[in-house]
Amino acid sequence: DTGVSQDPRHKITKRGQNVTFRCDPISEHNRLYWYRQTLGQGPEFLTYFQNEAQLEKSRLLSDRFSAERPKGSFSTLEIQRTEQGDSAMYLCASSGLALYQETQYFGPGTRLLVL
Amino acid sequence: DQQVKQNSPSLSVQEGRISILNCDYTNSMFDYFLWYKKYPAEGPTFLISISSIKDKNEDGRFTVFLNKSAKHLSLHIVPSQPGDSAVYFCAARAETSGSRLTFGEGTQLTVNP
Repeated sequence: DTGVSQDPRHKITKRGQNVTFRCDPISEHNRLYWYRQTLGQGPEFLTYFQNEAQLEKSRLLSDRFSAERPKGSFSTLEIQRTEQGDSAMYLCASSGLALYQETQYFGPGTRLLVL
Repeated sequence: DQQVKQNSPSLSVQEGRISILNCDYTNSMFDYFLWYKKYPAEGPTFLISISSIKDKNEDGRFTVFLNKSAKHLSLHIVPSQPGDSAVYFCAARAETSGSRLTFGEGTQLTVNP
């Protein structure tokens, strides 16, 4: 299976702890995106990378959030000093660069619960 | 500022009938639209897309219609099957705003056997 994969699928943590999620995109895709989805809402954009460069960040991405894509392949999303409001599904997506390759394909998500 | 809205939180249809899911948008810079299907505890699965230069795109049982003047798009599923029961999201992208997708709130479709 060459789809987008995310790890872990579920994470329970206590308030104040740090968590890190990993995303492996479709191998030939240059672009990688992070979204967050809360109950009853559609996914909300957080940030995106083209290769290793982080090109866009949403104002939702507070200074407690940091994302990296060091070698232009997998990406990590870290949340420091977690708060209960961070509880959500964190989705990763990837897409190609060329015209007609712009459809974003999503991974299964990481569900975070902050107690 | 909800730029993409799906005003029907739920829709119920009989198997074999047509399902029509609607989506409205406010940003006239949106130039690419997509529909995703989502099952519980899974990520969204891409269904079909349409560029703003077209008004219709068809793929098997799925057809998306775009009415730019009304800033409205719809997804038609014919015939509907019980396996189509899921939450459907429409999403839009404006090339001038980078690659981010803006999603609607979703519509829960239930197809009854």
